[in-house]
Amino acid sequence: QVQLQESGPGLVRPSETLSLSCTVSGGSLSSEYWHWIRQPPGKGLEWIGFIYYSGSANYNPSLKSRVTMSVDASRNQFSLKLNSVTAADTAVYYCARRGGPGYVDLWGRGTLVTVSS
Amino acid sequence: QSALTQPASVSGSPGQSITISCTGTSSDVGGYNYVSWYQQHPGKAPELMIYEVSNRPSGVSYRFSGSKSGNTASLTITGLQAEDEADYYCASHTGANTLSFGGGTKLTVL
Repeated sequence: QVQLQESGPGLVRPSETLSLSCTVSGGSLSSEYWHWIRQPPGKGLEWIGFIYYSGSANYNPSLKSRVTMSVDASRNQFSLKLNSVTAADTAVYYCARRGGPGYVDLWGRGTLVTVSS
Repeated sequence: QSALTQPASVSGSPGQSITISCTGTSSDVGGYNYVSWYQQHPGKAPELMIYEVSNRPSGVSYRFSGSKSGNTASLTITGLQAEDEADYYCASHTGANTLSFGGGTKLTVL
């Protein structure tokens, strides 16, 4: 069965770039949309954006100026970069698979990223 | 994009039924039959419970059902069980081809 696993630094300095990858195992990136979603400690879910396996992407307007997503089909991975981070970007970051318009049917376990000096 | 509106908390006794509302606009909830619901236990990733307003994924209990009227979607849980105590989030496709989440509802089983 398909599984998702996030990876990347757990601590990022303010003003630097947060970089995370998500590895898809047991399946292929092809013909799917892949999401990034985050959850600040004790708060709700926030959609960051999605990327299609071909590389086309759509981002949350509130984060669009700072977000870049990419796909590496050779490694069966997709990635998130969020630049100019502040403490407000501290959150558990989830990668996920789109099941269809308006829903996610598979989630990674999430990885906590803390922004602090 | 604005978050969808959910009550902060709901509660019910074992065996009872509860309903959680999710209010959006004609640009999201009201405009498409693409509303989903997620259950999240503490320290865990969310789990899909309902998609496309009222469809249940394989393995999700029949006690969970979804509906929509106008700009408001609802999740109903019948025969409440202790294991249903969790946070619940709605989400909707939007006209901008984005995904909008509700603020979340904490369900307490008394």
